[in-house]
Amino acid sequence: AQTVTQSQPEMSVQEAETVTLSCTYDTSESDYYLFWYKQPPSRQMILVIRQEAYKQQNATENRFSVNFQKAAKSFSLKISDSQLGDAAMYFCAYRSDIIQGAQKLVFGQGTRLTINP
Amino acid sequence: DAGVIQSPRHEVTEMGQEVTLRCKPISGHDYLFWYRQTMMRGLELLIYFNNNVPIDDSGMPEDRFSAKMPNASFSTLKIQPSEPRDSAVYFCASSFGPSGRFNEQYFGPGTRLTVT
Repeated sequence: AQTVTQSQPEMSVQEAETVTLSCTYDTSESDYYLFWYKQPPSRQMILVIRQEAYKQQNATENRFSVNFQKAAKSFSLKISDSQLGDAAMYFCAYRSDIIQGAQKLVFGQGTRLTINP
Repeated sequence: DAGVIQSPRHEVTEMGQEVTLRCKPISGHDYLFWYRQTMMRGLELLIYFNNNVPIDDSGMPEDRFSAKMPNASFSTLKIQPSEPRDSAVYFCASSFGPSGRFNEQYFGPGTRLTVT
């Protein structure tokens, strides 16, 4: 079974600075997708960024980018120019693509990010 | 689109009572997921449906939990009888598409269940 590990329960960063959240995963599959979700205090789960395992190019979405290292099974999230609105729980998630219909997401335990003004 | 709709947003009930959580997926989506979030176990999948058919219910904790999807626009998660350890936030999510694509899952706002 696949597992996702986020080793940083909490992180903090000064507003306008850059922060990196870590995620590692364990799988024997070669085809899969990786995601970062944000959960603000409203508890709504919001997709931040996604990566296809077969793509070597790292995904970017405005101030959010990932460092995907397939061999190391690492998928970190970098937030540049941190803003107060970035404060939230961040979840790394894995989804298989080998088995037809294997659509479920496997989540890490989450990292609580605090932005200091 | 209104997004995934869940009701109620909050539910407080006494141990032993039956609880029914409801979900309306995004129109046109063919996958529906029920997740549970607790401090101890994090976010875990309970069950998911494809075209109204349960595909994987291996996450359903025990027989007290049951889920149905009678049509493409409605699903329920029922707990009977409820226990204090069932207290959690229950999320419903939906997505569209075959494997080989991102098939982004859109989450509802969640139902916070408290069993006393």
